[in-house]
Amino acid sequence: DAGVIQSPRHEVTEMGQEVTLRCKPISGHNSLFWYRQTMMRGLELLIYFNNNVPIDDSGMPEDRFSAKMPNASFSTLKIQPSEPRDSAVYFCASSLEGQAHTQYFGPGTRLTVL
Amino acid sequence: SQQGEEDPQALSIQEGENATMNCSYKTSINNLQWYRQNSGRGLVHLILIRSNEREKHSGRLRVTLDTSKKSSSLLITASRAADTASYFCATDWGGGGNKLTFGTGTQLKVEL
Repeated sequence: DAGVIQSPRHEVTEMGQEVTLRCKPISGHNSLFWYRQTMMRGLELLIYFNNNVPIDDSGMPEDRFSAKMPNASFSTLKIQPSEPRDSAVYFCASSLEGQAHTQYFGPGTRLTVL
Repeated sequence: SQQGEEDPQALSIQEGENATMNCSYKTSINNLQWYRQNSGRGLVHLILIRSNEREKHSGRLRVTLDTSKKSSSLLITASRAADTASYFCATDWGGGGNKLTFGTGTQLKVEL
């Protein structure tokens, strides 16, 4: 299996622009998680989906952030408009119910907002 | 917050020495997991210990769990430079659905 795939790996954009991060979970996994990691705040859970349905979005910072999972093999995290404080590494992870919730992480997208 | 706390925040040792990291958490759990993160990479699952287990081994890793103290420790024996990474504990506390609650991490540096 190819593991969790994220794209792009690096994104540099200007303040005010829309940013879309993409994730393909491991085939067969039914839970998907979006995290943000910064030096100041550590690893933060933004939102997670179970069977393509958003279950907990309490970590989404504000209305500028939105996430979708249109099918079991694809999810997006969108920031519109982006701000410099959104600069971070964004990780996607997936897991399979019944496997003790062990999560498999993608390589991350490093976002820089100028 | 359910977030676990790890100590030390940073640890520097010489190759060949043992490294011990600790994790404390706040609520009853189903299991506790340890993950490793190399610089610039995603987290990788290392080992899982269930709430009814007290100790578990995997290669050079030894994990202990004390549910009465709500704490766990990760021991890496005979450390190598390649063990240099950040280590995170994560708890499955049941009330969180399918999600895990990650600790703040310990940065381990193993010097030659």
